[in-house]
Amino acid sequence: QQQVKQSPQSLIVQKGGISIINCAYENTAFDYFPWYQQFPGKGPALLIAIRPDVSEKKEGRFTISFNKSAKQFSLHIMDSQPGDSATYFCAASSAPNNNDMRFGAGTRLTVKP
Amino acid sequence: DGGITQSPKYLFRKEGQNVTLSCEQNLNHDAMYWYRQDPGQGLRLIYYSQIVNDFQKGDIAEGYSVSREKKESFPLTVTSAQKNPTAFYLCASSISLVSTDTQYFGPGTRLTVL
Repeated sequence: QQQVKQSPQSLIVQKGGISIINCAYENTAFDYFPWYQQFPGKGPALLIAIRPDVSEKKEGRFTISFNKSAKQFSLHIMDSQPGDSATYFCAASSAPNNNDMRFGAGTRLTVKP
Repeated sequence: DGGITQSPKYLFRKEGQNVTLSCEQNLNHDAMYWYRQDPGQGLRLIYYSQIVNDFQKGDIAEGYSVSREKKESFPLTVTSAQKNPTAFYLCASSISLVSTDTQYFGPGTRLTVL
């Protein structure tokens, strides 16, 4: 029942580089697309989210790019830092409720010093 | 210090035993959720509750039960009927069930069946 496909499974980036994680969805009813960051042994925390009425949203070094026609969205981490090393999950849900949120399988990012 | 607490952090269970995982929040949130996380898979919803004394099954409710007697508490019982209970369990809460309300997650409980 995986409705959100996330790639790659793992990613290694040098400090200062750009990390890019991609997600594709199937359900055209999805209208809210959050990204979560999870450190080992901790629960996920909301990083940034986007609605389909915009094609890009930027918060600091983190940017979501959204392509509604292709049903794809991606997370870009600029100037990646070792402290960004974590697992990142994309997700998607459809209004009005939170109970149908679908999560990608996660990407383990390692930023090497 | 507001947030969500889960206990215990690690839990070991023998086959055939029921175990209860605790989840408490002091964020005054109405909605609470239980997710299961397995390696290489996204989070899957077990149960959710929109308000006190109300809860609904998620995608993988079989073998689990919950209660919501208090706004701040949403314990999850893993019963012996759950075929493969070894996993990382995450509790979350949000202001309401509206899709754009941020879900705040607890630190999780890792359950291992011996």
